[in-house]
Amino acid sequence: GAGVSQSPSNKVTEKGKDVELRCDPISGHTALYWYRQSLGQGLEFLIYFQGNSAPDKSGLPSDRFSAERTGGSVSTLTIQRTQQEDSAVYLCASSPSGGPYDTQYFGPGTRLTVL
Amino acid sequence: QKEVEQNSGPLSVPEGAIASLNCTYSDRGSQSFFWYRQYSGKSPELIMFIYSNGDKEDGRFTAQLNKASQYVSLLIRDSQPSDSATYLCAVNGAGGFKTIFGAGTRLFVKA
Repeated sequence: GAGVSQSPSNKVTEKGKDVELRCDPISGHTALYWYRQSLGQGLEFLIYFQGNSAPDKSGLPSDRFSAERTGGSVSTLTIQRTQQEDSAVYLCASSPSGGPYDTQYFGPGTRLTVL
Repeated sequence: QKEVEQNSGPLSVPEGAIASLNCTYSDRGSQSFFWYRQYSGKSPELIMFIYSNGDKEDGRFTAQLNKASQYVSLLIRDSQPSDSATYLCAVNGAGGFKTIFGAGTRLFVKA
């Protein structure tokens, strides 16, 4: 079946602009995660959605970052007033139930470059 | 102290040798432990998971967990050049859903 998809695959923007990154999880997966990976670094947790529960936003680095998930499926990560330090690969993952024993399935990522 | 620590490497082993990748974690309440492989420019993919103390084998891969020492490792037997990648250790804490990833260990398998 279809995996996790993300769009766009690449995004180049100017400092100060807003960007929206989209994630389509695997159908039927109730949990959705956003991570950020800077060059040569590990994955930094950003936000977690599980069903209709309030999202865990504890990883968002500043109030310029926000995310929503509509209808329990598609999610959008929005970065306002982008800064050069926001340049990274943004990865989305989904899992069947979000429990501690779930495997996360990752999308191909969006490479964001802020000039 | 980082929550999940890995030696960044690179770890270089000859083809056919055993590669040993190590990871320590700080949250004693952690419940589940995962090893993901990430090829350059690609997304992580699951290699192994382990929940209980001891060893778990899957083909050429063996995951080892020691909760008392807060230590998890991945052994790759008969290493192949195609195993060259970054290996990410991931830990789910006591809360269950929040996964903390280590920075990864780069492995090079020389033909």
